[in-house]
Amino acid sequence: EIVLTQSPATLSLSPGERATLSCRASQSVSSYLAWYQQKPGQAPRLLIYDASNRATGIPARFSGSGSGTDFTLTISSLEPEDFAVYYCQQRSNWPPKYTFGQGTKLEIK
Amino acid sequence: QVQLVQSGAEVKKPGASVKVSCKASGYTFTSYGISWVRQAPGQGLEWMGWISAYNGNTNYAQKLQGRVTMTTDTSTSTAYMELRSLRSDDTAVYYCARGPISILSQAWFDPWGQGTLVTVSS
Repeated sequence: EIVLTQSPATLSLSPGERATLSCRASQSVSSYLAWYQQKPGQAPRLLIYDASNRATGIPARFSGSGSGTDFTLTISSLEPEDFAVYYCQQRSNWPPKYTFGQGTKLEIK
Repeated sequence: QVQLVQSGAEVKKPGASVKVSCKASGYTFTSYGISWVRQAPGQGLEWMGWISAYNGNTNYAQKLQGRVTMTTDTSTSTAYMELRSLRSDDTAVYYCARGPISILSQAWFDPWGQGTLVTVSS
C-alpha cells in the first residue's frame, strides 16, 4: 500500500503570508494526486486534482505542483478563510486503491 | 447543482449493522461512481471503497473486506454503504463522494456528501 506523508503536521502563519504544504508518497503515484481542504464540522472540499489542476471555483491563490513522489500545495497569500486542515490523496494503479495523507493543520499565528 | 445528500445519524450496538444512504442529484448518476470515506473523531480520512454506478463494480479497502457492501439503486440515484459486525472503532463520520465511472479513469472525489455520524456504543 502506498503511504502518503504530509509535512508539517501543523503550520502557523499569518494572513497575507505564503503557505507551502508538502506531501510525499512511499512510491511513485505519477500525477494521481489530489488536495482537499476541510474546515471543522464540514466535508472535505476538492482543491487540486491530478497534482496541478485547480478544481472548479477554487481561487487562483491555490496551486499544486509535483509528480512521482513529491508534491506541494502552495497558497500564495493566505486569506482568513484558508485556515483549515489540508489532506493529500492518491490512487494507485495496481491494485487500484486510494489513500490519504494524515493531514496538515494550517493555523493562524 | 451537483449534490449528494446522506441519511441521518445512527446509533448502533456492537455487533450490529448499519446502512447509510447517499442520494445524488444534478448529474447523470450512471456516468460516475461513488466512493465512501470515513473519519473517526479527531482523526484523518480513510478510504473505504468505491462502486461504479454504471455497472455495479466494486473495490473495497483491504481492512474492510468481508464487512462492507456497497450498492446502488439507479432508479432513485442512490448509493448505499452497509457495514456489518460493528465495533467501537467504527464510530466515525461516514462520507460519500462522487468518483469515477471506472476506478482507473479518475483519481479524485468531488463533490462530497454532508456526512453521516455513526456511533457504536453498548
